Amino acid sequence: LAKTTQPISMDSYEGQEVNITCSHNNIATNDYITWYQQFPSQGPRFIIQGYKTKVTNEVASLFIPADRKSSTLSLPRVSLSDTAVYYCLVGGYSGNTPLVFGKGTRLSVIA
Amino acid sequence: EPEVTQTPSHQVTQMGQEVILRCVPISNHLYFYWYRQILGQKVEFLVSFYNNEISEKSEIFDDQFSVERPDGSNFTLKIRSTKLEDSAMYFCASRETSGSYEQYFGPGTRLTVT
Repeated sequence: LAKTTQPISMDSYEGQEVNITCSHNNIATNDYITWYQQFPSQGPRFIIQGYKTKVTNEVASLFIPADRKSSTLSLPRVSLSDTAVYYCLVGGYSGNTPLVFGKGTRLSVIA
Repeated sequence: EPEVTQTPSHQVTQMGQEVILRCVPISNHLYFYWYRQILGQKVEFLVSFYNNEISEKSEIFDDQFSVERPDGSNFTLKIRSTKLEDSAMYFCASRETSGSYEQYFGPGTRLTVT
């Protein structure tokens, strides 16, 4: 599995757009990029997944450049309830692959 | 929306005792997992289970741990003789098919070993 690097923490004010970048220089051809969110004392929750270019859902957008060595999770107009730890995971689809979590990025949204 | 459930939410046990943590995965899911998270640390993979057998396990999942799917709905994690260092949040997760990377996590069981 490709090693990922993301900032340890970020602060943002309510209503701002937040971009969290993840580096994954050793991403393999068949790897996908997935982001999870974890609130305190809760299990991680899937946010978004992509392979290349841009993916958007009702929660976030994921931007992946052509070389796929990094990706950026974009959260539009964050609120206090978006305060959580965000994990970038890189891995393949096939088989029964377990998720490998890093330390994630702790996002604090301030009023 | 279907969800993974776990019981109990909090379990306190004495060192050396056996504990069983229970999970009910989403009903049409085929892949099941246990993860743990020691307070303030990363979420760590323990074991995956498919077709009534263990698919993969980590170094953490030693002989003290076992998993079982005793019926069509429950998925259990047993720790035979708990140690202080087993204190953690234990998360169960399930996944629908091998074509999806999305795992659905339960709310967790907080295990405290005294």
